[in-house]
Amino acid sequence: DTGVSQDPRHKITKRGQNVTFRCDPISEHNRLYWYRQTLGQGPEFLTYFQNEAQLEKSRLLSDRFSAERPKGSFSTLEIQRTEQGDSAMYLCASSAEGGSYEQYFGPGTRLTVT
Amino acid sequence: AQKVTQAQTEISVVEKEDVTLDCVYETRDTTYYLFWYKQPPSGELVFLIRRNSFDEQNEISGRYSWNFQKSTSSFNFTITASQVVDSAVYFCALTRNFGNEKLTFGTGTRLTIIP
Repeated sequence: DTGVSQDPRHKITKRGQNVTFRCDPISEHNRLYWYRQTLGQGPEFLTYFQNEAQLEKSRLLSDRFSAERPKGSFSTLEIQRTEQGDSAMYLCASSAEGGSYEQYFGPGTRLTVT
Repeated sequence: AQKVTQAQTEISVVEKEDVTLDCVYETRDTTYYLFWYKQPPSGELVFLIRRNSFDEQNEISGRYSWNFQKSTSSFNFTITASQVVDSAVYFCALTRNFGNEKLTFGTGTRLTIIP
């Protein structure tokens, strides 16, 4: 059983550009979560999906951020008009409904906005 | 609102010593879950343990043990006979209800095991 995968692992972009990250959860996991982690801090929740439905969004998720999970499998997180404050590690996790509920994390996408 | 506090920012111990990582939480929910995750230098968060609010039994898994005390809202983690491979950042986290909702993390404790 493969783990959660994220692509790309690293992204360097200039301020004002748009970026998109992809997350592939563990197969058959119907819950998918996005978190953001800055240096020296714990991960902060951004949003999560059950299948294709987005169930909750954090206030951290400004209008420049959008997440989708169109077919209930992989998910994308897009940041429009990036700002230097968006520089962080973006983590994806998945969990199984009706299971033991642990969230399994991917390796993350490190975003650097210059 | 939920909150997790890990007051120890950094801890260094000599290999083979025992070390305890503290975690204090706040929640108004009666049903909640507590977790510990390990983040090694590679960066990927690794799940260690989950405990629900109705189960206050301590748990031991090899060199790891966890002490959950509702009376003090604490969920502490002890590593016995520490090894260099235990060096990592450890996060305590909390979620409401049945554990499949968003995690609220503490700020983490960086543990360094000195050979």
